[in-house]
Amino acid sequence: KNEVEQSPQNLTAQEGEFITINCSYSVGISALHWLQQHPGGGIVSLFMLSSGKKKHGRLIATINIQEKHSSLHITASHPRDSAVYICAVSIIQGAQKLVFGQGTRLTINP
Amino acid sequence: EAGVAQSPRYKIIEKRQSVAFWCNPISGHATLYWYQQILGQGPKLLIQFQNNGVVDDSQLPKDRFSAERLKGVDSTLKIQPAKLEDSAVYLCASSIGRVEAFFGQGTRLTVV
Repeated sequence: KNEVEQSPQNLTAQEGEFITINCSYSVGISALHWLQQHPGGGIVSLFMLSSGKKKHGRLIATINIQEKHSSLHITASHPRDSAVYICAVSIIQGAQKLVFGQGTRLTINP
Repeated sequence: EAGVAQSPRYKIIEKRQSVAFWCNPISGHATLYWYQQILGQGPKLLIQFQNNGVVDDSQLPKDRFSAERLKGVDSTLKIQPAKLEDSAVYLCASSIGRVEAFFGQGTRLTVV
């Protein structure tokens, strides 16, 4: 079992829908990252969370440390939001270690 | 603050050729990571440096991959010779302390 699991693996929705992508992890972490990867492969860091909730534009990220779970929400989704969304956690094992989920491929149709 | 810089952004080579990628982490970041992301999968750690020392290279295919971090700053990742299955995005990340991590935009390698 992977230390970081994302769901769903693939998600297709219509423009304007509210999107939720989930990330669960099984180890103690110091932080959780949400990343966005576009078809060309470039990666953009969206959020880094260690507790609570963060909002940036139409994107909202939440984390529940007790339940070892985080969600990324997109409100009023748009075709330009189509990308792979990756969850990564910072694990303390002596030196810091970053572990990635497998990614969620999101497609927003007009 | 400047981010993690990687170059090139894209590279196409023939199998059995050599290729090198470069990463310039954020100034002062002691930890540097190289990841390989094959299409449809999450990134997999290849090597982790703490300053110029290797912390973890257990998943680095050492028969063809090598990496160095000169003076604990910039890093290069080399593949020699490349195979078709090396086609992937190579992602560099850096961190300071034990919480924040910053990611480069990645280098997309295509081996034909």
